[in-house]
Amino acid sequence: EVVLTQSPDFQSVTPKEKVTITCRASQSIGSSLHWYQQKPHQSPELLIKSASQSISGVPSRFSGSGSGTAFTLTINSLEREDAATYFCHHSGTFPPAFGHGTRLEIK
Amino acid sequence: QVQLQQWGAGLLKPSETLSLTCAVYGDSLSGYYWSWIRQPPGKGLEWIGEINHRGSTSYQPSLKSRVSVSLDTARNQFSLKLNSVTAADTAVYYCAGSRYDSSGSIDSWGQGTLVIVSS
Repeated sequence: EVVLTQSPDFQSVTPKEKVTITCRASQSIGSSLHWYQQKPHQSPELLIKSASQSISGVPSRFSGSGSGTAFTLTINSLEREDAATYFCHHSGTFPPAFGHGTRLEIK
Repeated sequence: QVQLQQWGAGLLKPSETLSLTCAVYGDSLSGYYWSWIRQPPGKGLEWIGEINHRGSTSYQPSLKSRVSVSLDTARNQFSLKLNSVTAADTAVYYCAGSRYDSSGSIDSWGQGTLVIVSS
């Protein structure tokens, strides 16, 4: 069973900053890693699929990279509306699983 | 992107059965994996199980003995049952959909249902 470990757990950032969130898999999952944004009291929304593929309607400041066991979500020029919790999710092996989340606070 | 609307009982006593239903709007059930995912208060997401349009299911190993996911193709709905609930099953439950060509990513989410298990 693959375990995903996200870092950091929490980050307080200022608008226009660049943010990097890391997700590490306990074993190789190829590129079967996806990223979601969840705002308070809302359902998660897909940001990036298959490690680096962009999603229609998602702002271009969100990007993803990585393969195997190390993955990164980057948010360029952070905006106040990006305050949320970000989760990684793998579908490479059974059972699928999620990281524990990274909460972003905007100063 | 399909729209998902879910409903079900929000307050259960220990040992009762959790039952939730999710209606799919904007497309048929074909061509998707339909999942249930839960999130305990203040915690992360846990995959519960899924079903495809043929009715083939997969379940989280730790829940497999208590969980069942089913389809109602006539109503374009799918459902979750979780038996013998305890306080540890208290969570927001989401229905979700993944297109077959989405590489396992979850394209659509329901609005979530808070289920509280308490005596």
